[in-house]
Amino acid sequence: GQQLNQSPQSMFIQEGEDVSMNCTSSSIFNTWLWYKQEPGEGPVLLIALYKAGELTSNGRLTAQFGITRKDSFLNISASIPSDVGIYFCAPYSGGGADGLTFGKGTHLIIQP
Amino acid sequence: DVKVTQSSRYLVKRTGEKVFLECVQDMDHENMFWYRQDPGLGLRLIYFSYDVKMKEKGDIPEGYSVSREKKERFSLILESASTNQTSMYLCASRRGGTDTQYFGPGTRLTVL
Repeated sequence: GQQLNQSPQSMFIQEGEDVSMNCTSSSIFNTWLWYKQEPGEGPVLLIALYKAGELTSNGRLTAQFGITRKDSFLNISASIPSDVGIYFCAPYSGGGADGLTFGKGTHLIIQP
Repeated sequence: DVKVTQSSRYLVKRTGEKVFLECVQDMDHENMFWYRQDPGLGLRLIYFSYDVKMKEKGDIPEGYSVSREKKERFSLILESASTNQTSMYLCASRRGGTDTQYFGPGTRLTVL
């Protein structure tokens, strides 16, 4: 079956630092989605990537769809306290009604 | 704005009880999903539905069933709750043919 690895599992950083996390898969995908879950809430979509090699930014967030279509990374620049949460990657083949397979998540903790 | 609501934020049940978790979405989405979230395991798909009265098993359907009698409502049923079903349960919906899933706030279920 498909293997999806997300790392790191958790990050303890100082406010203002940059953050980088990534996902790798054993399978090829057409879409990579990145979600953020804040404490006590459901995940919310941050960024969607649709083309191999695509680099997309959303404010301080930047995500890239790997050339091989088997990986993606998410960067957060100049972290602030509200960046705290769990970040999930969710690759998707698209076109059907199937649910998503999520990475195990990267838990971001920011120390003031 | 898409709104996905779940009937309870917290629920405590006893082993062997029948448990109903309700989810309602207000955007006329065709697809609906139930996930469970456990520390270190991320989100795992239990069941999904691509239309009224249609249902498909996800990755971990054992011990669960679902019901979709109306388009806006998707229910998760634990026929006989067990302690290993203690978890956070997340409902999501998605417009057919699109990628973005919208999540509810989750129900934290404890089975004693």
